[in-house]
Amino acid sequence: QVQLQESGPGLVKPSETLSLTCTVSGGSISSYYWSWIRQPPGKGLEWIGYIYYSGTTYYNPSLNSRVTISVDTSKSQFSLKLSSVTAADTAVYYCARTQLRTGWHVYWGQGTLVTVSS
Amino acid sequence: QSALTQPPSVSGAPRQRVTIFCTGSSSNIGAGYDVNWYQQLPGTAPKLLIYDNSNRPSGVPDRFSASKSGTSASLAITGLQGEDEADYYCQSYDSSLSGSVFGGGTKLTVL
Repeated sequence: QVQLQESGPGLVKPSETLSLTCTVSGGSISSYYWSWIRQPPGKGLEWIGYIYYSGTTYYNPSLNSRVTISVDTSKSQFSLKLSSVTAADTAVYYCARTQLRTGWHVYWGQGTLVTVSS
Repeated sequence: QSALTQPPSVSGAPRQRVTIFCTGSSSNIGAGYDVNWYQQLPGTAPKLLIYDNSNRPSGVPDRFSASKSGTSASLAITGLQGEDEADYYCQSYDSSLSGSVFGGGTKLTVL
């Protein structure tokens, strides 16, 4: 069974860069898209972006200028960097495996809460 | 504002049937992209409930069914049970975003 696990700091200061890593186990990172999705407290889901295992990336235009997603296939990991964060970026961040670029998010990590506060 | 529109809440008594609707536009559902549904129990990650408009992953009860027509989709839950209390999200692909879009979510309350 494929499992995903997010890791990274739970507290980030305003204007700094949020960095998270997702480790994939139980399956290959190849031949799939890998997504980052977030959920502010009490609110709905927002797609941040995804990366194909080869390195091609697609980002939500609303976050495009601040987002970088990268992949390290040798470690079965992919990562998220979100720069110049504000309190509005406080959310639970999920990583997920996405079936096709236009498809569904089939496996999800448990999520990690990142709070932006000084 | 979400690209896909869902009612904020629905409710139903045990053993009854409820339907949750998801309305999109010409750049997502109306463009022919498939709709997927997720169930999110309190404090947990979303779980894939329906994929490709109407397909259930292994382990999802057949009480859950879904369909798509035009620029809308719907999720039906029959034989409501207390364990169905959760938030439900629709999701599709949007060509204007070149990425995934979600509905705002619908909270199901079992009375």
